[in-house]
Amino acid sequence: KAGVTQTPRYLIKTRGQQVTLSCSPISGHRSVSWYQQTPGQGLQFLFEYFSETQRNKGNFPGRFSGRQFSNSRSEMNVSTLELGDSALYLCASRVQTSYNEQFFGPGTRLTVL
Amino acid sequence: GESVGLHLPTLSVQEGDNSIINCAYSNSASDYFIWYKQESGKGPQFIIDIRSNMDKRQGQRVTVLLNKTVKHLSLQIAATQPGDSAVYFCAENSGGSNYKLTFGKGTLLTVNP
Repeated sequence: KAGVTQTPRYLIKTRGQQVTLSCSPISGHRSVSWYQQTPGQGLQFLFEYFSETQRNKGNFPGRFSGRQFSNSRSEMNVSTLELGDSALYLCASRVQTSYNEQFFGPGTRLTVL
Repeated sequence: GESVGLHLPTLSVQEGDNSIINCAYSNSASDYFIWYKQESGKGPQFIIDIRSNMDKRQGQRVTVLLNKTVKHLSLQIAATQPGDSAVYFCAENSGGSNYKLTFGKGTLLTVNP
């Protein structure tokens, strides 16, 4: 069974630009969550999608948005990039929204110059 | 203790020893807890979980202990191996059925052969 895949793996952008990251969950998983990981703040929850609906959201500005498609694939978008947005963005999928194992992808390393 | 930026708490053990990694969580209403392992360049990997109605759970070579009175979680790794070297994170779910994870800063475990 293929794991969670994220594309691209590495990305370099400049301030003010926008970026879209993609996540393909494990087949059969309908819940997709996004996290930001930085040395200073650690792992922080961005949002979770289930059946194309955002079910939960972390404390990030509106520049961070996401969506989920009918095949459970998800994208997250960051507009008007700031230097502080440089981070590893991780996607994780689960079968459903109750308490069960969440599988992480390898992440997308975003560098903002 | 608390970590700031790159200064993760570290634990260095000899191969074959038992390791204990500690975590203080913040929300007394959290009902589900997870330990993750993250190796360099990879996403977090699920190790073991525990619900708040339990105080101990065992897996293969790992045991998680939960003390709700003092909001403390620990991960015990038996017969630690070099392959166990990684950063270990605890996470708490404070979102109830809307699964919202808050991660600790992590502990760097180094296993010396």
